[in-house]
Amino acid sequence: NAGVTQTPKFQVLKTGQSMTLQCAQDMNHNSMYWYRQDPGMGLRLIYYSASEGTTDKGEVPNGYNVSRLNKREFSLRLESAAPSQTSVYFCASSYRDWGNYGYTFGSGTRLTVV
Amino acid sequence: ILNVEQSPQSLHVQEGDSTNFTCSFPSSNFYALHWYRWETAKSPEALFVMTLNGDEKKKGRISATLNTKEGYSYLYIKGSQPEDSATYLCASLANAGGTSYGKLTFGQGTILTVHP
Repeated sequence: NAGVTQTPKFQVLKTGQSMTLQCAQDMNHNSMYWYRQDPGMGLRLIYYSASEGTTDKGEVPNGYNVSRLNKREFSLRLESAAPSQTSVYFCASSYRDWGNYGYTFGSGTRLTVV
Repeated sequence: ILNVEQSPQSLHVQEGDSTNFTCSFPSSNFYALHWYRWETAKSPEALFVMTLNGDEKKKGRISATLNTKEGYSYLYIKGSQPEDSATYLCASLANAGGTSYGKLTFGQGTILTVHP
């Protein structure tokens, strides 16, 4: 059971380049999330998808777009990368029963924008 | 935006010591409180999910309590071991119009180091 798989694990981009971070889960979870983790800031929600077919903005959505491709996959796209987007990105998924189940996190993507 | 705060930011204890951390969160529209353990170079893993005021959860030497009326939760580790060294995150869900959509707001974490 793979859980939540994120690719790539590491990426270096030049300012202005675009890229897509991929996330897939095999636990039949309904909800998926993208967070970024910066020193001293904790995990901050970028976008989420409460269920297949829906997406919505989180706390820090500017500069990002998402696609919930199907129940398993939730991708995060940076259209024009900026140095401020240097961060570690985590994808997570969960059942729609947040009073009983926690998130399952992917292993993270360390992104550097130069 | 909910404000979830954790204290202390870091903690160094000796093997065998018992320790505890605090998580405070807005008590209005409370839905659930999660605790995660995050080891270096790994991903956060769920420890506890709590919803009821006065609830206490236990997993081995680790336990957590919840006070939803005053907006705080405590995580306790009894007889700390070096393998307990990790960052402990708490996260709160608020109830927005009957649902929370599962949007966790995380605290910054407490970094625990247990020295042999």
